[in-house]
Amino acid sequence: NAGVTQTPKFRILKIGQSMTLQCAQDMNHNYMYWYRQDPGMGLKLIYYSVGAGITDKGEVPNGYNVSRSTTEDFPLRLELAAPSQTSVYFCASSATRGGATHTGTQYFGPGTRLTVL
Amino acid sequence: EDQVTQSPEALRLQEGESSSLNCSYTVSGLRGLFWYRQDPGKGPEFLFTLYSAGEEKEKERLKATLTKKESFLHITAPKPEDSATYLCAVQPYNFNKFYFGSGTKLNVKP
Repeated sequence: NAGVTQTPKFRILKIGQSMTLQCAQDMNHNYMYWYRQDPGMGLKLIYYSVGAGITDKGEVPNGYNVSRSTTEDFPLRLELAAPSQTSVYFCASSATRGGATHTGTQYFGPGTRLTVL
Repeated sequence: EDQVTQSPEALRLQEGESSSLNCSYTVSGLRGLFWYRQDPGKGPEFLFTLYSAGEEKEKERLKATLTKKESFLHITAPKPEDSATYLCAVQPYNFNKFYFGSGTKLNVKP
């Protein structure tokens, strides 16, 4: 298994440009997450999804959009990039465990380092 | 408001010098508390999940404990390869969200 993969690894954008960060997992996990990590800080949740077709906002959703058309893929869209979106972006996935209990253990991708100039 | 505070921000140890990292949390009902290790330029790697006060888990030189207000990550006789940033996260009981602390950067010198 490749686990969680993210592309690209690095990207430089100009202010006002748009781009999509790709995330894919091959573990058949229902739950997927997007985080951003600023230098010296913890991870902040941007959006998450509990299954194909279902997404919800996290702590810092402004300036971002997501979609989840398949179990495997969870792309993050940046519209009108701003310098404040310079960060490292991590995608993660986790499994559900039968019934209502959610294991919570997340598996992270290697990250995308984005700079907006 | 759900939040997580980790201390210290940075910790320098000599090889073999045991110590503890702290994670204090406030959450509206705890579903789980998680410890992750993050190496420079990489994504966090899962270490432990703790679900209830009094629970303990061990892995090699690491031991995680949990009370109703905080968790400790004890490092016994650390080695240079234990150098990394250690992140703590909590999941509230009624939400599919996770709140992360800012981490403790551990440096173990030979």
